[in-house]
Amino acid sequence: GAGVSQSPRYKVAKRGRDVALRCDSISGHVTLYWYRQTLGQGSEVLTYSQSDAQRDKSGRPSGRFSAERPERSVSTLKIQRTEQGDSAVYLCASSRDRGYEQYFGPGTRLTVT
Amino acid sequence: LAKTTQPISMDSYEGQEVNITCSHNNIATNDYITWYQQFPSQGPRFIIQGYKTKVTNEVASLFIPADRKSSTLSLPRVSLSDTAVYYCLVASDQTGANNLFFGTGTRLTVIP
Repeated sequence: GAGVSQSPRYKVAKRGRDVALRCDSISGHVTLYWYRQTLGQGSEVLTYSQSDAQRDKSGRPSGRFSAERPERSVSTLKIQRTEQGDSAVYLCASSRDRGYEQYFGPGTRLTVT
Repeated sequence: LAKTTQPISMDSYEGQEVNITCSHNNIATNDYITWYQQFPSQGPRFIIQGYKTKVTNEVASLFIPADRKSSTLSLPRVSLSDTAVYYCLVASDQTGANNLFFGTGTRLTVIP
């Protein structure tokens, strides 16, 4: 079907508030990744999951990041107690399995004020 | 950790062939090399993937020497629409999330 989609495309949050970002991945894809992309620093993986088994790397950069995957092709990235340093583009990507090419969504630009 | 190093930026005129090289000295035996293209306000888009020697598809070629410590993405006859950031990613199905990292990429500007 369609590619990876993300919502919202833009989000403004006050510092200290929690935010939730949604990703609809490609049907049939097993692995789902969340990246944070910052200008001049590249993109780092925040968390990824294999099928329905969440492998949460919320330790990067802290326990404030977590992801839920209520359905195989839906994931929600949750950021607790947002900080100004969380301002970035959050990219979701899915792939057939680990090691295969990744298909990215357009990203959600989060601005923490 | 197979860290990658790429030139920060490159300029090219329309119609020329562009070669972007990525260094990955610590590449592991199981790692594949994948290149992505990213336009502003969009997520990265897969271009090509290879393990060794040469791979070609309808948009690009990928050259990988025998030692696999570098790779070169070749874009034939670039057009203005090829202006974008290009990333190389080195990973396998065993790569942990902590080692999945896109660097700052190479910003290619195609000049009319």
